[in-house]
Amino acid sequence: DGGITQSPKYLFRKEGQNVTLSCEQNLNHDAMYWYRQDPGQGLRLIYYSQIVNDFQKGDIAEGYSVSREKKESFPLTVTSAQKNPTAFYLCASSQTLLADISYEQYFGPGTRLTVT
Amino acid sequence: AQSVTQLDSHVSVSEGTPVLLRCNYSSSYSPSLFWYVQHPNKGLQLLLKYTSAATLVKGINGFEAEFKKSETSFHLTKPSAHMSDAAEYFCVVRDYSGNTPLVFGKGTRLSVIA
Repeated sequence: DGGITQSPKYLFRKEGQNVTLSCEQNLNHDAMYWYRQDPGQGLRLIYYSQIVNDFQKGDIAEGYSVSREKKESFPLTVTSAQKNPTAFYLCASSQTLLADISYEQYFGPGTRLTVT
Repeated sequence: AQSVTQLDSHVSVSEGTPVLLRCNYSSSYSPSLFWYVQHPNKGLQLLLKYTSAATLVKGINGFEAEFKKSETSFHLTKPSAHMSDAAEYFCVVRDYSGNTPLVFGKGTRLSVIA
């Protein structure tokens, strides 16, 4: 059963702690993405990766970090430098990024992070 | 640069009546356009996409959208709303103007009244 998995579904952390969100895909997609969703603001791009060991900042990368050591995995770390980390985080993947603009993104179920 | 505007943040319809969710886009090139649906606390699911083939695109669950270049619009429609259609809908654009991934609208929340 192909798709994208994100874990955990709900995550609670104390302020000042780093936290890592997991994203795994078995679709054999080259490109992967992280988005943040806040009420009424749509989706905002945090980081994306076109290929293993390479990634680019999106619109709101400050306070976040990523790695892409394997094609299937693209974990996101929310650091203590992120001023307002409580949000719904979505991971996505697509076949490629540059070669064909028709490729849609496939989304995981999301992780809701609450920092108190 | 590409951009997308969803003209209504909230649309409310009665069950069995037509649905219209409006989307205008801006693009310097021939774009690809997508509609996604998101149910509460879930990921996004692709409803349909336009990629320079037929201008009237049919998607899942009875939804369709028409690409109108002269109006720079890509409105989503459905002839008869069902209670299960209540969700958030996102219009999305992508073109070759840069390495930017998909650009999302801010979303339209669809409510369906019994």
